[in-house]
Amino acid sequence: GESVGLHLPTLSVQEGDNSIINCAYSNSASDYFIWYKQESGKGPQFIIDIRSNMDKRQGQRVTVLLNKTVKHLSLQIAATQPGDSAVYFCAENIKGAGSYQLTFGKGTKLSVIP
Amino acid sequence: EPEVTQTPSHQVTQMGQEVILRCVPISNHLYFYWYRQILGQKVEFLVSFYNNEISEKSEIFDDQFSVERPDGSNFTLKIRSTKLEDSAMYFCASSIGWSYNEQFFGPGTRLTVL
Repeated sequence: GESVGLHLPTLSVQEGDNSIINCAYSNSASDYFIWYKQESGKGPQFIIDIRSNMDKRQGQRVTVLLNKTVKHLSLQIAATQPGDSAVYFCAENIKGAGSYQLTFGKGTKLSVIP
Repeated sequence: EPEVTQTPSHQVTQMGQEVILRCVPISNHLYFYWYRQILGQKVEFLVSFYNNEISEKSEIFDDQFSVERPDGSNFTLKIRSTKLEDSAMYFCASSIGWSYNEQFFGPGTRLTVL
């Protein structure tokens, strides 16, 4: 079946470096994508979103890139900080019969080395 | 800042017992969701709810599950006869709209079925 997946399950980066977390999706009907951050023992926290009519969106220290040709999504974190250590999920918003539902990837664990 | 709250934070129950997980969505949100996350796995959609009825449900959400909005603030998930495999984190989420709208997640309830 169609699903959202992640290329790298773990990523370790030095504090201050940039981080790139990748995600592949296969549902061409998805029109909205979200990156969530999940710290241990907490619920997913929204980071940034992007609609399918865009290929790039920037937030504070974060950028999401969408390549619809290859169905690829990435999250770039600039000047990674220890507080960025968490599991990052990409999710696609798929319109079901009655409403939208989020389909999450498995997640990438980001570890920031001080 | 408004947030989704969930109670209890941890629920331990015996197999076959009924449990009710409670959520208070953000007050001006109209769409409500339940997700679950089995330890070490991805977040999975269970059900969405709008205008006092289910909008969408996944294959996981079988007859053992039900949702209710008993009053103007609470949103509950009931599992009638728990099974060992129901052990997971259960997240409630809410959104103001259903397309291109961020879903805000609560901190989760950890359900342990013995």
